[in-house]
Amino acid sequence: DTEVTQTPKHLVMGMTNKKSLKCEQHMGHRAMYWYKQKAKKPPELMFVYSYEKLSINESVPSRFSPECPNSSLLNLHLHALQPEDSALYLCASSQISTLGNTIYFGEGSWLTVV
Amino acid sequence: GIQVEQSPPDLILQEGANSTLRCNFSDSVNNLQWFHQNPWGQLINLFYIPSGTKQNGRLSATTVATERYSLLYISSSQTTDSGVYFCAVEGRSGGYQKVTFGIGTKLQVIP
Repeated sequence: DTEVTQTPKHLVMGMTNKKSLKCEQHMGHRAMYWYKQKAKKPPELMFVYSYEKLSINESVPSRFSPECPNSSLLNLHLHALQPEDSALYLCASSQISTLGNTIYFGEGSWLTVV
Repeated sequence: GIQVEQSPPDLILQEGANSTLRCNFSDSVNNLQWFHQNPWGQLINLFYIPSGTKQNGRLSATTVATERYSLLYISSSQTTDSGVYFCAVEGRSGGYQKVTFGIGTKLQVIP
């Protein structure tokens, strides 16, 4: 069983809606990640939080707004999305080490923008 | 950034057959992981293997860091092995925590 929990598993939203994806881990990891995966493509990094601070933003549009309220939680706020934003959104966590980080993924949230 | 190439892109196996998946990477790595993505989208850790050889049941992996490649061996394949296998690397330069995925190998095991 995955130790990274994502909710909701499925989300359908209109282009004018505001919604949020949530992620939780209790492994004591201090790095958390959001990835986006389109059909038949590999996951692509969106954001990295280290010690609850945003450390990497891969030039993601501002309609995606991450938030890390504490060391166990990671949110992705969604607003004014486009149909092309429909994808699988994956949350992950890891320890923090410059020697290498093993990443653990949640089951993902399937997002459809209509 | 680091480039990751996987081969073959697609693979169809008869149940019980063996296979080798390859991952080439363009720079030194701090970390290399193999994942299996099931049809429901979940990425399952198979191996953390920046160097050396590891085995877990019917699966084993070898990374030769000096030659910048890793191999994933699947023996006596089963239909439940179907899915996409990704190699993901964390480069030593260009910022840690930036994990880059290869395009994956889509495996179909037929009865």
